[in-house]
Amino acid sequence: KQEVTQIPAALSVPEGENLVLNCSFTDSAIYNLQWFRQDPGKGLTSLLLIQSSQREQTSGRLNASLDKSSGRSTLYIAASQPGDSATYLCAVRNQGGKLIFGQGTELSVKP
Amino acid sequence: EPEVTQTPSHQVTQMGQEVILRCVPISNHLYFYWYRQILGQKVEFLVSFYNNEISEKSEIFDDQFSVERPDGSNFTLKIRSTKLEDSAMYFCASSDNWGTEAFFGQGTRLTVV
Repeated sequence: KQEVTQIPAALSVPEGENLVLNCSFTDSAIYNLQWFRQDPGKGLTSLLLIQSSQREQTSGRLNASLDKSSGRSTLYIAASQPGDSATYLCAVRNQGGKLIFGQGTELSVKP
Repeated sequence: EPEVTQTPSHQVTQMGQEVILRCVPISNHLYFYWYRQILGQKVEFLVSFYNNEISEKSEIFDDQFSVERPDGSNFTLKIRSTKLEDSAMYFCASSDNWGTEAFFGQGTRLTVV
C-alpha cells in the first residue's frame, strides 16, 4: 500500500531564505507526482506536476525534483516571501489514477 | 482562469440527514473526483468518475455515498444518512484527461451535529 510522508511537518524561516521541502513515497510505481499549496481553511492550489519520466519541473521560484527509484521528491522554494506561508502537500498518482497525499509541511515565512 | 467551484462553502446538518454537495468542474474536463480531509488529517481519496460511471472508489465510499452528474455541468456527492465521523472538508477536483493535472475546488466544510 502506497504511503506518502513529508518532512518536516512544520518549518519557519526568515524572509529571503531558500528552502527545501521533502516528500517520500514507499512504492516507486507511480504515474506522476503533484505538489499543492493549501491556505488555512481553503482548497488546494496545484503548483507543479512532475511526470514519472521527468527529473524536475520548474515554475517561477519553485522547482520540484523527482527521484522515482529512491521514492523521493523535493520542492525547492527560492527567495521565500511571507506570502509563501501555507501548507505544502505532496501527492503521488498511482496507476489507478487516484492521488495519495502526504500530511503536508506547514511553512511560515517571517518578515 | 477556469476553476472548480463548490457549493455550499459550509454545511451543518443533523446526524442521519441526507446531504448533497455540489461541484461545477472545469468545463472541458472529463475526469471528476471527490476527496475529503478530516480536520488535522491527510487528504484522502473517495471516488473518481468518468464517462458517467465510477472508475475507482475507496473503502470509505460505502453504500451511504453516491455520485451523480445530473446534467452537463454539475457533479454531486450525496451522503444518504450522515454520521458524526462524516464531518470533514470535502473537495471536488477535475482533470482534462486520465493522469493529468488535477484542479481542486475550495471545498465544502461539512459539520454533522
